[in-house]
Amino acid sequence: NAGVMQNPRHLVRRRGQEARLRCSPMKGHSHVYWYRQLPEEGLKFMVYLQKENIIDESGMPKERFSAEFPKEGPSILRIQQVVRGDSAAYFCASSPRLAGGYNEQFFGPGTRLTVL
Amino acid sequence: AQSVAQPEDQVNVAEGNPLTVKCTYSVSGNPYLFWYVQYPNRGLQFLLKYITGDNLVKGSYGFEAEFNKSQTSFHLKKPSALVSDSALYFCAVRDKPASASYDKVIFGPGTSLSVIP
Repeated sequence: NAGVMQNPRHLVRRRGQEARLRCSPMKGHSHVYWYRQLPEEGLKFMVYLQKENIIDESGMPKERFSAEFPKEGPSILRIQQVVRGDSAAYFCASSPRLAGGYNEQFFGPGTRLTVL
Repeated sequence: AQSVAQPEDQVNVAEGNPLTVKCTYSVSGNPYLFWYVQYPNRGLQFLLKYITGDNLVKGSYGFEAEFNKSQTSFHLKKPSALVSDSALYFCAVRDKPASASYDKVIFGPGTSLSVIP
Protein backbone atom coordinates (compact mmCIF):
# COMPACT_ATOMS: atom_id res chain seq x y z
CA ASN A 1 0.00 0.00 0.00
CA ALA A 2 1.70 3.17 -1.18
CA GLY A 3 1.89 5.99 1.28
CA VAL A 4 0.79 9.56 0.77
CA MET A 5 2.23 10.87 -2.48
CA GLN A 6 3.10 14.47 -3.16
CA ASN A 7 4.39 16.02 -6.33
CA PRO A 8 6.41 17.74 -7.30
CA ARG A 9 8.94 17.23 -4.52
CA HIS A 10 10.64 20.49 -5.40
CA LEU A 11 9.08 23.46 -7.16
CA VAL A 12 10.73 26.70 -8.16
CA ARG A 13 8.64 29.68 -9.14
CA ARG A 14 9.34 33.34 -9.85
CA ARG A 15 7.42 36.02 -8.03
CA GLY A 16 3.97 36.48 -9.51
CA GLN A 17 3.68 32.96 -10.94
CA GLU A 18 1.27 30.29 -9.79
CA ALA A 19 2.23 27.20 -7.82
CA ARG A 20 0.20 24.00 -7.86
CA LEU A 21 0.99 21.31 -5.33
CA ARG A 22 -0.57 17.88 -5.59
CA CYS A 23 -1.35 15.31 -2.95
CA SER A 24 -2.61 11.79 -3.49
CA PRO A 25 -3.83 10.30 -0.22
CA MET A 26 -3.24 6.74 0.84
CA LYS A 27 -5.53 4.21 -0.75
CA GLY A 28 -8.85 4.18 1.04
CA HIS A 29 -8.30 7.56 2.69
CA SER A 30 -10.86 10.25 1.95
CA HIS A 31 -9.61 13.01 4.23
CA VAL A 32 -6.73 15.31 3.39
CA TYR A 33 -4.90 17.92 5.46
CA TRP A 34 -2.35 20.47 4.31
CA TYR A 35 0.37 21.87 6.57
CA ARG A 36 3.04 24.46 5.90
CA GLN A 37 6.52 24.50 7.36
CA LEU A 38 8.23 27.87 7.10
CA PRO A 39 12.02 27.93 7.43
CA GLU A 40 13.19 27.27 11.00
CA GLU A 41 9.62 26.63 12.17
CA GLY A 42 7.32 23.73 12.90
CA LEU A 43 4.41 22.67 10.76
CA LYS A 44 1.27 24.77 10.86
CA PHE A 45 -2.18 23.52 9.89
CA MET A 46 -3.63 25.13 6.79
CA VAL A 47 -6.74 23.31 5.61
CA TYR A 48 -8.72 20.10 5.99
CA LEU A 49 -10.73 18.68 3.11
CA GLN A 50 -12.97 15.75 2.39
CA LYS A 51 -13.91 14.76 -1.14
CA GLU A 52 -15.43 17.84 -2.82
CA ASN A 53 -15.69 19.72 0.48
CA ILE A 54 -13.53 22.12 2.43
CA ILE A 55 -14.22 21.43 6.08
CA ASP A 56 -11.77 23.66 7.92
CA GLU A 57 -9.65 26.34 6.27
CA SER A 58 -8.87 28.27 9.40
CA GLY A 59 -5.12 28.14 8.73
CA MET A 60 -5.22 29.31 5.13
CA PRO A 61 -4.00 32.79 4.27
CA LYS A 62 -6.96 34.92 3.24
CA GLU A 63 -5.66 35.73 -0.20
CA ARG A 64 -3.95 33.88 -3.04
CA PHE A 65 -4.26 30.41 -1.44
CA SER A 66 -6.90 27.87 -2.31
CA ALA A 67 -7.34 24.12 -1.97
CA GLU A 68 -9.54 21.49 -3.50
CA PHE A 69 -10.07 17.77 -3.30
CA PRO A 70 -12.17 16.70 -6.28
CA LYS A 71 -14.19 13.54 -6.53
CA GLU A 72 -11.54 12.09 -8.80
CA GLY A 73 -7.85 12.85 -8.67
CA PRO A 74 -5.46 14.33 -6.14
CA SER A 75 -5.95 17.20 -3.77
CA ILE A 76 -4.51 20.46 -5.09
CA LEU A 77 -3.07 23.33 -3.08
CA ARG A 78 -2.90 26.36 -5.32
CA ILE A 79 -0.94 29.52 -4.62
CA GLN A 80 -1.52 32.40 -6.99
CA GLN A 81 0.92 35.25 -7.56
CA VAL A 82 3.56 33.74 -5.32
CA VAL A 83 5.81 35.92 -3.20
CA ARG A 84 9.14 35.12 -1.56
CA GLY A 85 7.41 34.62 1.78
CA ASP A 86 5.57 31.63 0.32
CA SER A 87 8.84 29.71 0.17
CA ALA A 88 8.31 26.78 2.50
CA ALA A 89 7.77 23.05 2.67
CA TYR A 90 4.16 22.06 2.20
CA PHE A 91 3.09 18.75 3.68
CA CYS A 92 -0.01 16.79 2.99
CA ALA A 93 -1.50 14.21 5.33
CA SER A 94 -4.38 11.83 4.90
CA SER A 95 -6.57 9.84 7.23
CA PRO A 96 -9.12 7.10 6.71
CA ARG A 97 -12.84 7.34 7.11
CA LEU A 98 -13.66 9.05 10.37
CA ALA A 99 -14.50 6.84 13.29
CA GLY A 100 -14.74 7.22 17.02
CA GLY A 101 -11.51 8.01 18.77
CA TYR A 102 -8.42 9.31 17.08
CA ASN A 103 -8.10 9.51 13.33
CA GLU A 104 -4.41 9.08 12.66
CA GLN A 105 -2.86 11.24 9.99
CA PHE A 106 -0.21 9.86 7.65
CA PHE A 107 2.16 12.41 6.17
CA GLY A 108 3.59 12.68 2.70
CA PRO A 109 7.20 13.61 1.87
CA GLY A 110 6.33 17.25 1.25
CA THR A 111 6.81 19.73 -1.58
CA ARG A 112 9.55 22.29 -1.14
CA LEU A 113 8.53 25.53 -2.83
CA THR A 114 11.19 28.11 -3.60
CA VAL A 115 10.13 31.50 -4.87
CA LEU A 116 12.86 33.46 -6.63
CA ALA B 1 -6.18 26.21 23.13
CA GLN B 2 -3.95 23.23 22.68
CA SER B 3 -0.24 23.92 22.52
CA VAL B 4 3.06 22.15 22.68
CA ALA B 5 6.47 23.50 23.61
CA GLN B 6 9.94 22.23 22.96
CA PRO B 7 12.19 24.27 25.23
CA GLU B 8 15.44 23.40 23.46
CA ASP B 9 16.22 24.52 19.92
CA GLN B 10 19.31 22.35 19.81
CA VAL B 11 20.47 19.25 21.64
CA ASN B 12 23.98 17.88 21.28
CA VAL B 13 24.93 14.43 22.53
CA ALA B 14 27.90 12.15 22.08
CA GLU B 15 27.41 8.93 20.20
CA GLY B 16 26.60 6.09 22.56
CA ASN B 17 25.27 8.37 25.28
CA PRO B 18 21.59 8.50 26.23
CA LEU B 19 19.58 11.28 24.66
CA THR B 20 16.52 13.20 25.78
CA VAL B 21 14.49 15.66 23.73
CA LYS B 22 12.03 17.58 25.86
CA CYS B 23 8.40 18.36 25.21
CA THR B 24 5.68 19.91 27.35
CA TYR B 25 2.07 20.32 26.40
CA SER B 26 -1.07 22.17 27.31
CA VAL B 27 -4.38 20.58 26.39
CA SER B 28 -7.93 20.44 27.57
CA GLY B 29 -9.10 16.90 28.08
CA ASN B 30 -7.02 13.81 27.55
CA PRO B 31 -3.88 14.44 25.53
CA TYR B 32 -2.99 12.57 22.39
CA LEU B 33 0.74 13.09 21.92
CA PHE B 34 3.14 12.27 19.10
CA TRP B 35 6.76 12.45 18.09
CA TYR B 36 7.91 12.85 14.51
CA VAL B 37 11.38 13.02 13.03
CA GLN B 38 12.46 14.93 9.94
CA TYR B 39 15.77 14.15 8.29
CA PRO B 40 17.37 16.88 6.16
CA ASN B 41 15.26 17.67 3.08
CA ARG B 42 12.97 14.76 3.84
CA GLY B 43 9.38 14.36 4.93
CA LEU B 44 8.05 13.61 8.37
CA GLN B 45 8.42 10.17 9.80
CA PHE B 46 6.22 9.00 12.63
CA LEU B 47 8.11 7.74 15.68
CA LEU B 48 5.54 7.02 18.34
CA LYS B 49 2.32 8.15 19.98
CA TYR B 50 0.62 8.17 23.34
CA ILE B 51 -3.16 7.90 23.46
CA THR B 52 -3.83 5.84 26.53
CA GLY B 53 -2.30 3.03 28.54
CA ASP B 54 1.27 2.69 29.75
CA ASN B 55 3.10 5.94 30.37
CA LEU B 56 6.20 4.58 28.65
CA VAL B 57 5.65 4.32 24.94
CA LYS B 58 8.06 2.48 22.66
CA GLY B 59 8.45 3.53 19.06
CA SER B 60 10.55 3.19 15.95
CA TYR B 61 14.36 3.10 15.77
CA GLY B 62 14.76 2.37 19.48
CA PHE B 63 13.08 5.56 20.64
CA GLU B 64 10.70 5.76 23.54
CA ALA B 65 8.80 8.51 25.28
CA GLU B 66 7.49 8.92 28.78
CA PHE B 67 4.13 10.52 29.40
CA ASN B 68 4.04 12.42 32.68
CA LYS B 69 0.63 13.83 33.43
CA SER B 70 1.59 15.77 36.56
CA GLN B 71 4.42 17.55 34.74
CA THR B 72 2.50 17.74 31.43
CA SER B 73 5.54 16.39 29.67
CA PHE B 74 6.23 13.85 26.96
CA HIS B 75 10.00 13.65 26.63
CA LEU B 76 11.59 11.57 23.89
CA LYS B 77 14.42 9.27 24.93
CA LYS B 78 16.88 6.78 23.56
CA PRO B 79 19.36 4.81 25.66
CA SER B 80 22.25 5.02 23.21
CA ALA B 81 22.42 7.69 20.50
CA LEU B 82 23.61 7.02 16.96
CA VAL B 83 25.12 9.53 14.56
CA SER B 84 22.28 8.64 12.19
CA ASP B 85 19.79 9.93 14.77
CA SER B 86 20.87 13.48 13.93
CA ALA B 87 17.72 15.16 12.66
CA LEU B 88 14.91 17.56 13.54
CA TYR B 89 12.41 16.21 16.06
CA PHE B 90 8.87 17.46 16.45
CA CYS B 91 6.55 16.89 19.35
CA ALA B 92 2.88 17.22 18.46
CA VAL B 93 -0.52 17.13 20.09
CA ARG B 94 -3.95 16.33 18.77
CA ASP B 95 -6.34 19.25 18.45
CA LYS B 96 -9.95 18.30 18.06
CA PRO B 97 -12.11 21.35 17.37
CA ALA B 98 -15.24 21.59 19.50
CA SER B 99 -18.15 19.59 18.10
CA ALA B 100 -15.97 18.38 15.24
CA SER B 101 -15.47 14.82 14.12
CA TYR B 102 -11.97 15.40 12.75
CA ASP B 103 -8.58 16.08 14.24
CA LYS B 104 -5.85 18.57 13.58
CA VAL B 105 -2.28 18.21 14.73
CA ILE B 106 -0.42 21.01 16.45
CA PHE B 107 3.34 20.78 16.16
CA GLY B 108 6.02 22.16 18.40
CA PRO B 109 8.76 24.30 16.87
CA GLY B 110 11.16 21.39 16.66
CA THR B 111 14.43 20.45 18.31
CA SER B 112 17.54 19.87 16.25
CA LEU B 113 19.46 16.86 17.53
CA SER B 114 23.13 16.49 16.72
CA VAL B 115 24.88 13.28 17.67
CA ILE B 116 28.62 13.79 17.74
CA PRO B 117 30.86 10.87 16.78
